[in-house]
Parts: sequence; structure tokens; C-alpha cells
Amino acid sequence: DAGVTQSPTHLIKTRGQQVTLRCSPKSGHDTVSWYQQALGQGPQFIFQYYEEEERQRGNFPDRFSGHQFPNYSSELNVNALLLGDSALYLCASMSVSYNEQFFGPGTRLTVL
Amino acid sequence: AQSVTQLDSQVPVFEEAPVELRCNYSSSVSVYLFWYVQYPNQGLQLLLKYLSGSTLVKGINGFEAEFNKSQTSFHLRKPSVHISDTAEYFCAVSDREGGGADGLTFGKGTHLIIQP
Repeated sequence: DAGVTQSPTHLIKTRGQQVTLRCSPKSGHDTVSWYQQALGQGPQFIFQYYEEEERQRGNFPDRFSGHQFPNYSSELNVNALLLGDSALYLCASMSVSYNEQFFGPGTRLTVL
Repeated sequence: AQSVTQLDSQVPVFEEAPVELRCNYSSSVSVYLFWYVQYPNQGLQLLLKYLSGSTLVKGINGFEAEFNKSQTSFHLRKPSVHISDTAEYFCAVSDREGGGADGLTFGKGTHLIIQP
């Protein structure tokens, strides 16, 4: 059983560009959350998707948006990239019947 | 609002010695507490969680943690560490059992360094 997968592994962009990160949840999971982990910091909650809707959002600007597809996979989009958006972006999946979030390996985004 | 404070950014320990990683939290509602481990260039792996019941929680890899409501603490312990325990450890809190719709609130992490 594959766990949570994320693509790409690494990404380099320049300021002002747009980026799309992808996540496939663990089999049987229907809920996907996204976190941003800056260097030397703990992960910060961006938002969560369930039934293709954004259920809750952390303290992130509208430049951060997402989508969930019918197969429960998800995308994180970031527009107008800033240097401060450089971070490891983690995806976590869970199901309502199991009290644990499973994390993917992350996508390392570098903004130059 | 919830918050987590991990009091030590780095903890050096000799191999086979005991270790305690400290975590304090603040929350105005019921809390569910978690410890995650992150090995270099990897995602987070759940070590253990406190949802309810016994305040002493046992997890994977020989780790355990004790929930202390009066001191708002959830310290992580291991009686004898191994070189392979070198990693970043994160304490997290939620007001829902699985992290819920509001996600998990994490501390800044403690880097556990095992010295031979």
C-alpha cells in the first residue's frame, strides 16, 4: 500500500511566478491537508480539503489556493511567489474513521 | 487559539542514555496531543498520541509521553537512545482527535543529537 505521495520532489521558481504542487492521499483516505514548513520551523497549517471543498483555512493569504479531485488527490497552487514562500510543503491525508494524519515526504520549493 | 512551546531547540545525548524532550501547550478547549518525528529529507511520522484515558502513552520505537493537564505539558521520553534516533521531533496539538478540520498546531521542533 503506497502511502501519501507528493510531486515534484524539488522545485525552483523565481519571484512572481506561479507553482502547482500535487498530492495523492493514502489509499482509503478522503481528506487532505496542506502544511508549510519553513527552514528551522514546525509545519504550519494552510488548509484542508474534504469532498472537494475547502473545509478550513489557516492564516495564509489568498495567493495560496487548492483543489481536490473526485479521486481525493489534491493540488496546492501558489500565485505571485515571494522569497518567503521558500519552504517544504507537506501534504497529509486522513479518513474520518481513523484518528491520524499520514504525511507525505514533501515538496521542497525554492523561490529565487 | 492553541499554541505549542518546545523548550529546547537542540538536545545532545550520549548513546544508550535516557532522554526527555519537553513540550508545553496552551488551549482553551479539550486537547489532543501528538509527537511526530522527522528524519532528514523525509515527511513526518507519528510517534504517539494522547486522545483520552491513561495519561501515560506508549508509542513506537520505545518512546513514551506523559500528559499532565495541571502543568499543560506532554513531555516525550525514551529510557535508552540509539544513533538511529537522531532526528527532529515535533509536538503538536489539536482540538479534534485526528487533527480535525483546523489541522494540527506544531511546535518549532527539537533536534535530538545522539553522540557515540
